[in-house]
Amino acid sequence: GENVEQHPSTLSVQEGDSAVIKCTYSDSASNYFPWYKQELGKRPQLIIDIRSNVGEKKDQRIAVTLNKTAKHFSLHITETQPEDSAVYFCAASIHASASKIIFGSGTRLSIRP
Amino acid sequence: NAGVTQTPKFQVLKTGQSMTLQCAQDMNHEYMSWYRQDPGMGLRLIHYSVGAGITDQGEVPNGYNVSRSTTEDFPLRLLSAAPSQTSVYFCASALILAGQTPENEQFFGPGTRLTVL
Repeated sequence: GENVEQHPSTLSVQEGDSAVIKCTYSDSASNYFPWYKQELGKRPQLIIDIRSNVGEKKDQRIAVTLNKTAKHFSLHITETQPEDSAVYFCAASIHASASKIIFGSGTRLSIRP
Repeated sequence: NAGVTQTPKFQVLKTGQSMTLQCAQDMNHEYMSWYRQDPGMGLRLIHYSVGAGITDQGEVPNGYNVSRSTTEDFPLRLLSAAPSQTSVYFCASALILAGQTPENEQFFGPGTRLTVL
């Protein structure tokens, strides 16, 4: 089937430590993997994305890695700060009759002071 | 640009009532989609469209209809509301690459919080 699995569902880390969120996907033809951040009561917003021709991408404290063989990808946040507290969603492009974007179930990240 | 707009922001329905959630974008995006967000369930795709006149089903299409008569608008219709449809509904849009792939940033609307009694 077409699905994206995301773990863990909740994550609590000490401020300044790193956080890692992992996702797996089922469609071997998937080639686009975005990550969205949703703050409480707000809409999801893209924070980083990666395409299948790249194994890793960084943007300041955020990085995403992709392992196409294993069909999994991960979000890494270093030097976490209070404003990183939010729900994070991974997603993958699914190639059906027309391509669509399917999301994981989300990870609620809490940063402890 | 207003981006992606949704109306209404809040709605309460009784079981069996019908209604239409409105979504519009002014970015000339070909790809538009509807998601519902329930606690612990993430964002589940209801229906999506890769252009005017073209729609397709997502993960949870039952009980919902869509149409795409223009590039700008993508309304979602609830045919006969049920308590299981209580949720937050998000509309999103994105540019399409060649081959009808929406592998670009999706811009989300502010959401509609729907309660069905």
